[in-house]
Amino acid sequence: EVQLAESGGGLVQPGGSLRLSCAASGFTFSSSWMSWVRQAPGKRLEWVANIKQDGSEKCYVDSVKGRFTISRDNAKNSLYLQMNSLRDEDTALYYCVKGGRVFDSWGQGTLVTVSS
Amino acid sequence: IVMTQTPLSLSVTPGQSASISCKSSQSLLHSDGKTYLYWFLQKPGQSPQLLIYEVSSRFSGMPDRFSGSGSGTDFTLKISRVEAEDVGVYYCMQATQLPWTFGQGTKVELK
Repeated sequence: EVQLAESGGGLVQPGGSLRLSCAASGFTFSSSWMSWVRQAPGKRLEWVANIKQDGSEKCYVDSVKGRFTISRDNAKNSLYLQMNSLRDEDTALYYCVKGGRVFDSWGQGTLVTVSS
Repeated sequence: IVMTQTPLSLSVTPGQSASISCKSSQSLLHSDGKTYLYWFLQKPGQSPQLLIYEVSSRFSGMPDRFSGSGSGTDFTLKISRVEAEDVGVYYCMQATQLPWTFGQGTKVELK
């Protein structure tokens, strides 16, 4: 069974940083594209970033380019999202998702709140 | 690409059918010949789950009362014989052109 467990969320001030982690199990992590998707309160789902199996390709939504960095450690079956220069509008539940296009498994999410 | 779903909410009698429309601002036909249109269901208090991929293919384990259709810019999710476990918010998503984008969601509830 695929399991994705996010961690690292919390309350941070505008301009601050957070690093989200996702521990993956139940599938061959190193063979899968991975993604982050977020959901702000009362808003639609928003794809944030994805990363190729070996980390050689990364794509981002424009609103986070230059501020967020997606990365992975295949030896640890882990996905990461480094979030810098956080803004109020980054407040959301962040989901770790298996797949780069076909989002076939989702974690439970970790909540990021950006507020002073 | 902007994804627009209608209706935004739907009240359905158990056992009846329901349809949700999803329209994209541009054609979702990719140069590789595939159409990357997906449907997800987010049940109350849960994470989204994949129902349909590439317009009409049901994801593993999803009941056959869910079906997808459409092409180009117009797509439909049909739920035949709605059951209590089908309540939640349904989202369409396109992955033809970056950035991948979602519809605003359609909330389905039982009468």
